Amino acid sequence: GQQLNQSPQSMFIQEGEDVSMNCTSSSIFNTWLWYKQEPGEGPVLLIALYKAGELTSNGRLTAQFGITRKDSFLNISASIPSDVGIYFCAGQLTGGTSYGKLTFGQGTILTVHP
Amino acid sequence: DAGVTQSPTHLIKTRGQQVTLRCSPKSGHDTVSWYQQALGQGPQFIFQYYEEEERQRGNFPDRFSGHQFPNYSSELNVNALLLGDSALYLCASSPLSSGGPGYNEQFFGPGTRLTVL
Repeated sequence: GQQLNQSPQSMFIQEGEDVSMNCTSSSIFNTWLWYKQEPGEGPVLLIALYKAGELTSNGRLTAQFGITRKDSFLNISASIPSDVGIYFCAGQLTGGTSYGKLTFGQGTILTVHP
Repeated sequence: DAGVTQSPTHLIKTRGQQVTLRCSPKSGHDTVSWYQQALGQGPQFIFQYYEEEERQRGNFPDRFSGHQFPNYSSELNVNALLLGDSALYLCASSPLSSGGPGYNEQFFGPGTRLTVL
């Protein structure tokens, strides 16, 4: 099935460094969501974006909804060991006959070295 | 406030068997979506249930079916299991009908790990 193109696939960083990841699509979405998944658990919602150009923060996390509505970006500042996990972007289209199914990227595996 | 719950946690079946997975949505949520997550992949949308009806379906065969009950809980049924059905099955709920802020944000349960031998 269709998936978004998420990059990078993995990142190995030192504690305290900033992290950037992005997600692109050939289709337009009207909502972008970012999730974090840890081993043995379901994805946890981090940030939801609803408007093109919107910049939203949640603590050390900042995400942006691209102007073209075909991309989104997530930044994590001053990373800490508990940031370890897999980060997924998800695009959503609502309205008409679309009832909000999520289309996910392949994920970015984040490893933080103390 | 309980989040999304799923049962069982793990399940082992053999090819050709049938399986039923269960999901209880987060309190206040009326819409349930099911996703399949293969190892190393992002979740793939199976279908969504609202008002006890399947409202939207992804690219999955008819072997995958579901049901939603009046209390908004849901079941996912898979018939004639194949080895390729081995995956983490995730349920997500949202307060779609509320129309308020965050109405389409989906919250996930911990998943059911299905292994088909």
